[in-house]
Amino acid sequence: GAVVSQHPSRVICKSGTSVKIECRSLDFQATTMFWYRQFPKQSLMLMATSNEGSKATYEQGVEKDKFLINHASLTLSTLTVTSAHPEDSSFYICSVTGTPNTEAFFGQGTRLTVV
Amino acid sequence: GENVEQHPSTLSVQEGDSAVIKCTYSDSASNYFPWYKQELGKRPQLIIDIRSNVGEKKDQRIAVTLNKTAKHFSLHITETQPEDSAVYFCAAVDAGNMLTFGGGTRLMVKP
Repeated sequence: GAVVSQHPSRVICKSGTSVKIECRSLDFQATTMFWYRQFPKQSLMLMATSNEGSKATYEQGVEKDKFLINHASLTLSTLTVTSAHPEDSSFYICSVTGTPNTEAFFGQGTRLTVV
Repeated sequence: GENVEQHPSTLSVQEGDSAVIKCTYSDSASNYFPWYKQELGKRPQLIIDIRSNVGEKKDQRIAVTLNKTAKHFSLHITETQPEDSAVYFCAAVDAGNMLTFGGGTRLMVKP
């Protein structure tokens, strides 16, 4: 299966600063990547679909100006949390899917803590 | 869009007993249903999946059933072991290849 690498695994930042999270598909060219957010003891909620070479598609309720997604190549998508606030503290995780209706491969996840 | 409901939210069983987790989905066009196991702070790991042209699939102690007419699918774990303790998520993939997760079930297997 596809190998997906996500960095950093943990980050602590001050309120008001920005944090960039990288998601790399190491052995698979991904035209589409997905970004999820998971609060403690809750499910994974899709935030946005990252499309290579075009704008990301955001789910309802997710602020596109706050969560900037860039998918400049077939192997890299980045999520930047801008002007982070404590309520943005969460587990962010990306995924890649190969052919339709096949297994999704997840990155290791990033634990973001905003203090 | 797709909506996936999962029950129960928590499940406690004795080691050796069976565990059953049930999910329903809303989009009749969904045709792929994976199940993930997630340990604390880790990424979800696929444990079994089923496609809409199949009613049941088994892999050792794990089995999944699908009823497309009723739009529900279930995970069955037999002979549970303490290492089965984790959070389990069902999911449905729709025609647009979008993955929607259920709310999760925290399974606790007591030794």
